[in-house]
Amino acid sequence: DSGVTQTPKHLITATGQRVTLRCSPRSGDLSVYWYQQSLDQGLQFLIQYYNGEERAKGNILERFSAQQFPDLHSELNLSSLELGDSALYFCASAREGGETQYFGPGTRLLVL
Amino acid sequence: SQKIEQNSEALNIQEGKTATLTCNYTNYSPAYLQWYRQDPGRGPVFLLLIRENEKEKRKERLKVTFDTTLKQSLFHITASQPADSATYLCALAPGSGYALNFGKGTSLLVTP
Repeated sequence: DSGVTQTPKHLITATGQRVTLRCSPRSGDLSVYWYQQSLDQGLQFLIQYYNGEERAKGNILERFSAQQFPDLHSELNLSSLELGDSALYFCASAREGGETQYFGPGTRLLVL
Repeated sequence: SQKIEQNSEALNIQEGKTATLTCNYTNYSPAYLQWYRQDPGRGPVFLLLIRENEKEKRKERLKVTFDTTLKQSLFHITASQPADSATYLCALAPGSGYALNFGKGTSLLVTP
């Protein structure tokens, strides 16, 4: 158990809909990273937050957004969903200046 | 553009043998390289980290080498066991606190 929690575990929705994925980092970790994993692309970095502020952006679509709240949990919002958004979404957390990231169990999103 | 390549073909080995996985990268100057293990449907789990000024790192049955001239890391599992069967991911970062760039992973199957 990494100490990172993600909800929900599974999500099935239709094209055009909007969903919110939630992540709680390990106690004491200020950084949260979101990654998307699809079969053909592997693990792709989406966005990073540090202590409530956006720190870095990766391959995140404009239809996707995220935020980190004062209690350090983070939410990833996916809107106008397309079939191609079906993937595993992981969040990871790390300590300040930490090199190792600890991953949550992921949310499996299926867009029908 | 940056590229991280791992053996795309699955590696099948017999229990007790040494498994060797390769990670090659181009157009990148990582400060460190990490290896993660991922089981189906689960989040990646950190195994080992090796820094750019280190040649080799060991942890129990695991050994990682890092050659920044060849731009290659080798990951060895000695005395492999069926429980070692999983996908192994190599990840690079330019420094601490940065997002990880992952290879697509190599699937390892250890048969009794």
